[in-house]
Amino acid sequence: DADVTQTPRNRITKTGKRIMLECSQTKGHDRMYWYRQDPGLGLRLIYYSFDVKDINKGEISDGYSVSRQAQAKFSLSLESAIPNQTALYFCATSDPSGINTDTQYFGPGTRLTVL
Amino acid sequence: QKEVEQNSGPLSVPEGAIASLNCTYSDRGSQSFFWYRQYSGKSPELIMSIYSNGDKEDGRFTAQLNKASQYVSLLIRDSQPSDSATYLCAVRGSGRRALTFGSGTRLQVQP
Repeated sequence: DADVTQTPRNRITKTGKRIMLECSQTKGHDRMYWYRQDPGLGLRLIYYSFDVKDINKGEISDGYSVSRQAQAKFSLSLESAIPNQTALYFCATSDPSGINTDTQYFGPGTRLTVL
Repeated sequence: QKEVEQNSGPLSVPEGAIASLNCTYSDRGSQSFFWYRQYSGKSPELIMSIYSNGDKEDGRFTAQLNKASQYVSLLIRDSQPSDSATYLCAVRGSGRRALTFGSGTRLQVQP
């Protein structure tokens, strides 16, 4: 089984709808991240969480919210989706201990289309 | 100035050649440096991490870090068509709690 899973893998929704993207991990990592990727723009950080009570905005948090329900689960919500939120969304995890600190491990991604 | 800059490419090399990918960063106090490979529509996968000046080799891949000049590079020896992908450079800046990614360089290896 994959260490980092994302659901759904694909989603088409309409403008104004609320949508939640979910991320679960079995790696036991404390740190989790949400990114979006648009063609030619690389990965941009939306939110990140270093533990259940430590949640931080990234560079493009407007229009998004998150919930860290447990160490293993980190959800991203679009309260009122708009077409320019159409993108590929990735969840990632990292472990601050050991020699591979900062290394991030990515889930398979969710392709979101807002019509 | 972007925090992490990469040439978008495409960089085209013949099979068997050395591919050289470059990345510059703006924060002189940056701590950690990573190269990820990403196939179209797939998630990024870690190729190399490097934390100190110099070279780090892993199989056909060599990462080179020069903090004084603020660049990190990735060399791919004996390039194969399966290496055709987008390569993302990522950096953790001083005082930053997360990585900043470049926009990626698309590599094409011609058979």
